[in-house]
Amino acid sequence: DAGVIQSPRHEVTEMGQEVTLRCKPISGHDYLFWYRQTMMRGLELLIYFNNNVPIDDSGMPEDRFSAKMPNASFSTLKIQPSEPRDSAVYFCASSLGGGGAGSLSNQPQHFGDGTRLSIL
Amino acid sequence: AQTVTQSQPEMSVQEAETVTLSCTYDTSESDYYLFWYKQPPSRQMILVIRQEAYKQQNATENRFSVNFQKAAKSFSLKISDSQLGDAAMYFCAYRGRPLIGGGADGLTFGKGTHLIIQP
Repeated sequence: DAGVIQSPRHEVTEMGQEVTLRCKPISGHDYLFWYRQTMMRGLELLIYFNNNVPIDDSGMPEDRFSAKMPNASFSTLKIQPSEPRDSAVYFCASSLGGGGAGSLSNQPQHFGDGTRLSIL
Repeated sequence: AQTVTQSQPEMSVQEAETVTLSCTYDTSESDYYLFWYKQPPSRQMILVIRQEAYKQQNATENRFSVNFQKAAKSFSLKISDSQLGDAAMYFCAYRGRPLIGGGADGLTFGKGTHLIIQP
């Protein structure tokens, strides 16, 4: 089975440019998560979606960051304009919800291979 | 907000020996999940093991087992018969209940422990 697919694997661009990271979740998964990994702050949740609807975007650092999920099989994370401090590895993960109404999901998250973003 | 603390930035163990990685967390919830993820140099995030808070029995997966102490909010990972392929960053992660309704929520990660396996 195909796992979570992220593209590109590496991205190098100059400060001020728009950056778009892409993610295809595992088919049938109804949750999608975006994380950022840096040496200073470790792994942080940026935003997550349930059934294509953003549920919690409190981790998005500032208005330069935006994420969309136009359908169940595709999501983007966009940075405009990019800054050197945005350099990091960005992970996408997906999971099944599981559980009943009001129940805590017991399903693990499956991660993509990440996009290493370097802003010069 | 929940926090996850891994107090060992780096650990080293001889091949075939046993090593224990520590993790503590802070939460006011009673229902949650805990995970250990492995990140090798390839940077993949690989699920090693998970523990449900309401289960008293410690989870095991082959050479990997946990010591879950709910009252102490401790969740350590034991790796038996260490192998060279176990060398990686290990992250402890917490997942609680979403603010609204049920379902899933994002993971809160510790800063990680770098595990070195000496041949």
